Amino acid sequence: QKEVEQNSGPLSVPEGAIASLNCTYSDRVSQSFFWYRQYSGKSPELIMSIYSNGDKEDGRFTAQLNKASQYVSLLIRDSQPSDSATYLCAVRARNTGGFKTIFGAGTRLFVKA
Amino acid sequence: GAGVSQSPSNKVTEKGKDVELRCDPISGHTALYWYRQRLGQGLEFLIYFQGNSAPDKSGLPSDRFSAERTGESVSTLTIQRTQQEDSAVYLCASSLLGTSGSYEQYFGPGTRLTVT
Repeated sequence: QKEVEQNSGPLSVPEGAIASLNCTYSDRVSQSFFWYRQYSGKSPELIMSIYSNGDKEDGRFTAQLNKASQYVSLLIRDSQPSDSATYLCAVRARNTGGFKTIFGAGTRLFVKA
Repeated sequence: GAGVSQSPSNKVTEKGKDVELRCDPISGHTALYWYRQRLGQGLEFLIYFQGNSAPDKSGLPSDRFSAERTGESVSTLTIQRTQQEDSAVYLCASSLLGTSGSYEQYFGPGTRLTVT
């Protein structure tokens, strides 16, 4: 089992819809969770971080964390074509000698105009 | 403020040559990370620095790869005797460490390495 798993997609949604991106992780001790957006040919850009169970909202983005079920999700409301990108989930998890941030392989999102 | 910078942005080299890639982290960030991203693939962790020590070198793919960091400043990733499979984008990220909410990594624009 991979430490951080994401559906590779592509996830296709119409403009204006809600895009829901999911991520599961294997280490129950994980405390810090991050969502990054990566446009084609660009480097990853931090969208949100979340540390506590529940929802965290920032503009059109909402991160949801459920530590008991070991999943974290990102909702994008009123999706725009400019949201089309790969979304990376990252989890700070235990590693030999300490903790390490593990990145998922990413989910490609395509927002149709 | 200034973000993470990397140089060069593009590097084309012949197989067998050595290359040096540079990363300038965000000022005050104690942690620095190197990743490799091949075309269409995910991020591959290479090495992590805390200050100028490297507690985790587990991702370096072979002894042709090495990295160093001067204090809490610039880091250099060196690839010796480059091979075609080294062609990728090399990404550097930096973060604060040790306080709540400070593990967020901020990425530089990357160096695109092409080995011919």
